[in-house]
Amino acid sequence: DGGITQSPKYLFRKEGQNVTLSCEQNLNHDAMYWYRQDPGQGLRLIYYSQIVNDFQKGDIAEGYSVSREKKESFPLTVTSAQKNPTAFYLCASSTLRGRRNEQFFGPGTRLTVL
Amino acid sequence: SQQGEEDPQALSIQEGENATMNCSYKTSINNLQWYRQNSGRGLVHLILIRSNEREKHSGRLRVTLDTSKKSSSLLITASRAADTASYFCATDSNTGNQFYFGTGTSLTVIP
Repeated sequence: DGGITQSPKYLFRKEGQNVTLSCEQNLNHDAMYWYRQDPGQGLRLIYYSQIVNDFQKGDIAEGYSVSREKKESFPLTVTSAQKNPTAFYLCASSTLRGRRNEQFFGPGTRLTVL
Repeated sequence: SQQGEEDPQALSIQEGENATMNCSYKTSINNLQWYRQNSGRGLVHLILIRSNEREKHSGRLRVTLDTSKKSSSLLITASRAADTASYFCATDSNTGNQFYFGTGTSLTVIP
């Protein structure tokens, strides 16, 4: 099955701790994205990557970090510097070839800071 | 911010009725997409319309785009209870590398 997976589905963190959210895709997509969604809100872009070992900040990158060591993987670390990390985090991927650039989304990780 | 806005924020209809939701955006686009999100799940791509297209159909979905007004509409015909979800529009950046999502319309279809 081709797709994009995120783990864990639910994550609890104590204040002051860093936590890493996993995102893996086997769609051979070049681009990967991390979004944050707050209740009743749209998606806000945290980071995106179009190629291995390269990534760019989105609108709300502060307090987050990413890496892209493999094409298939784009983990997101929520650091203790993120003031309000409780949210639903969505990872997505898309191809950069041709003119179709719809995004394929993972099932999301719900992070709660205790 | 380039984030778009959907209107209405919430919509409740009877099964079998049509549902129309609108999206407004702020800057020039290459294309506009509509996505669906069931509660607590990831988004699913529904349809993409390019800036040089005015209307597109896919099954019970009809999307229109008016670039002069920077707006789009999504029409779901003959709605079903299973259509209950949130619907988001997304526009791309000038480079096409980033996507900007609207705030969403929450649709409830009553059986």
